[in-house]
Amino acid sequence: QVQLQESGPGLVKPSETLSLTCTVSGGSLIGGDFHWSWIRQPPGKGLEWIGQVYDTGRDNYNPSLQSRITISVDSSRDRFSLSLRSATAADTAVYYCAIYFAGGGGRGYWGQGTLVTVSS
Amino acid sequence: DIQVIQSPSILSASVGDRVTVTCRASQSVDTWLAWYQQKPGKAPKVLIYRSSGLVSGVPSRFSGSGSGTEFTLTISNLQPEDFATYFCQHFSATSPWTFGQGTKVETK
Repeated sequence: QVQLQESGPGLVKPSETLSLTCTVSGGSLIGGDFHWSWIRQPPGKGLEWIGQVYDTGRDNYNPSLQSRITISVDSSRDRFSLSLRSATAADTAVYYCAIYFAGGGGRGYWGQGTLVTVSS
Repeated sequence: DIQVIQSPSILSASVGDRVTVTCRASQSVDTWLAWYQQKPGKAPKVLIYRSSGLVSGVPSRFSGSGSGTEFTLTISNLQPEDFATYFCQHFSATSPWTFGQGTKVETK
C-alpha cells in the first residue's frame, strides 16, 4: 500500500520560503499516470487546493497562490516537493501532499499532513 | 474558475438518521466530483469518486449522486463514527480544482 509522508520545517519566518517534501513509500508509481498535488488547511478552517503537476509535465496552480509556488516531482517518482515563496502568517496551515490517479475522479493517496507555522 | 458551494455548513443529526449534503458547482463539472470525510487531527479520507463511485472499504451506507452542477452525498442510517466534517472537491480539467467549504455533521 502506497504511503505518503510530508516533511520540512515546522516554523518559517515571514518573507522566507516554505519548503516541503512528500516522500512516497510502500509501492511503486512507475508506469502509472498521476497528479502530484498539495493541499493545505489553515487551523480551524476548510481545505484549500494549492496545485499539482501532471505526469505530462503540465502544472495547474491555485490562481491566488500561482505567483509564489512551485511544485516539482523527482525523476525517481519517489518524492515531490512544494516551494512557497514570501511566506506570511496567512500561509500558516496543515499542509497535505496527495497523489491522485489521472482520471480517477478523486481516488488516490494522501499524506497525514504537517503543520507549518509562519512566525518570527 | 469553477466555484463549489456546499450546504449546509452544520448538520445536526442522530444515530440512525438519513442525512444529505449538497454541493453546487458554478459551472458543469460533469461527474468530476469527489466526497471526503475528515475527522479532527486526521487527513481527509475519500469516500466517493466520480460523483457516485464508492471507494473500496467504505461502508455502503455512504452514497453519492449527481452530475453537471448539483451533487449530493447521502449517509443512510448514520453511525456514531460518521460524526465528522465532509468536503466535496471538483476535478474539472477546465478549472483549478477547488473544495467545498465543508459540512460538519454533529450530534443533535
